[in-house]
Amino acid sequence: DTGVSQNPRHKITKRGQNVTFRCDPISEHNRLYWYRQTLGQGPEFLTYFQNEAQLEKSRLLSDRFSAERPKGSFSTLEIQRTEQGDSAMYLCASSQLGGTNTEAFFGQGTRLTVV
Amino acid sequence: GQQVMQIPQYQHVQEGEDFTTYCNSSTTLSNIQWYKQRPGGHPVFLIQLVKSGEVKKQKRLTFQFGEAKKNSSLHITATQTTDVGTYFCAEAYGGATNKLIFGTGTLLAVQP
Repeated sequence: DTGVSQNPRHKITKRGQNVTFRCDPISEHNRLYWYRQTLGQGPEFLTYFQNEAQLEKSRLLSDRFSAERPKGSFSTLEIQRTEQGDSAMYLCASSQLGGTNTEAFFGQGTRLTVV
Repeated sequence: GQQVMQIPQYQHVQEGEDFTTYCNSSTTLSNIQWYKQRPGGHPVFLIQLVKSGEVKKQKRLTFQFGEAKKNSSLHITATQTTDVGTYFCAEAYGGATNKLIFGTGTLLAVQP
């Protein structure tokens, strides 16, 4: 399968714990995005990488959130000291830089539940 | 900031009926993309519209971009149970970033 892969698919954690999610984008895609989606809402942009550079972070991304894409391939999103309000689906998407079509390919997401 | 509203929030139709969802923005959109998200699934790209007044068709789906580029619509003719899901419009925004600003979505339920 050459689509966007995210792990784990589900994560249940206790409040205050740290969690880390991984995203493997489509291999030739140099753009990588993280979004957060809560029930009944559309995905909200969190952060954007172009290759290994993190070029934009949303105001939604508090200091407890950090994302990396060290070699311009896979990316990780870490949430420290989780809170119940962090419970959501975390979606990763990738796309190709250049051209007129900006279609984004989404992974299956990681559903986080903070108890 | 930008806000893209969609109406209706929810639509329940009988199989075979038509369905339309509307996307409205307070500002001019540079483009509009449509995504479908099945229950429990992830957003899947359907189409991108860029030009004022553009109309594109995919089988039973017809997409329109308004003349003023402030609204868009998705029309499904003769719905099928496989059309069930939430339909989102989104603008690829931010110049070099091209992050997606999603609308509020329309959940479509189709009764067989």
